[in-house]
Amino acid sequence: AQSVTQPDIHITVSEGASLELRCNYSYGATPYLFWYVQSPGQGLQLLLKYFSGDTLVQGIKGFEAEFKRSQSSFNLRKPSVHWSDAAEYFCAVGDTGGFKTIFGAGTRLFVKA
Amino acid sequence: DTGVSQDPRHKITKRGQNVTFRCDPISEHNRLYWYRQTLGQGPEFLTYFQNEAQLEKSRLLSDRFSAERPKGSFSTLEIQRTEQGDSAMYLCASSLESGRGNEQFFGPGTRLTVL
Repeated sequence: AQSVTQPDIHITVSEGASLELRCNYSYGATPYLFWYVQSPGQGLQLLLKYFSGDTLVQGIKGFEAEFKRSQSSFNLRKPSVHWSDAAEYFCAVGDTGGFKTIFGAGTRLFVKA
Repeated sequence: DTGVSQDPRHKITKRGQNVTFRCDPISEHNRLYWYRQTLGQGPEFLTYFQNEAQLEKSRLLSDRFSAERPKGSFSTLEIQRTEQGDSAMYLCASSLESGRGNEQFFGPGTRLTVL
């Protein structure tokens, strides 16, 4: 069965520091992978997605993620975090049938001054 | 703004009452999804429509839950005889039918509190 694991429930980084949020997935075929961000009172916003091709994908707000098939990982990175990045981040996998998206439990990011 | 909208944003009800939520998808999207999100968890898939046809329902969707999408436009999610365990954020999403996967656009959600 498809599943997504985000090992870190919460992470705290200093403003200006680099960030890496971990995501591991379980999926039999080539996965469609996503990272979403959810701010309080806001809907989920897509940061980036991977379907195929280049394993390093660029997203909005300066985020990037790298797909590593051998490790079943799709970690999210940002070189310099801003206070406005404080939010909950969800990794997700979509099946090739195109209707069901499985989300991880999320990682809450705290940014300290 | 032509994003996904949900109404109401918040609903407080007493146990045993019925509630109905509405979702208006992005106009050209023919797929519509409902998810439930509880505190500290990611969204969990509930059901999915392609146009007006409900094609998939999760085991999470008990007999007290019903969803409709008349005419393939807006959708409603009704919960009958609410229980305290139904307290959650109910998210709606929509997408275009696409062979390139399933990029879904989410609404702001309806937060349900059952007292």
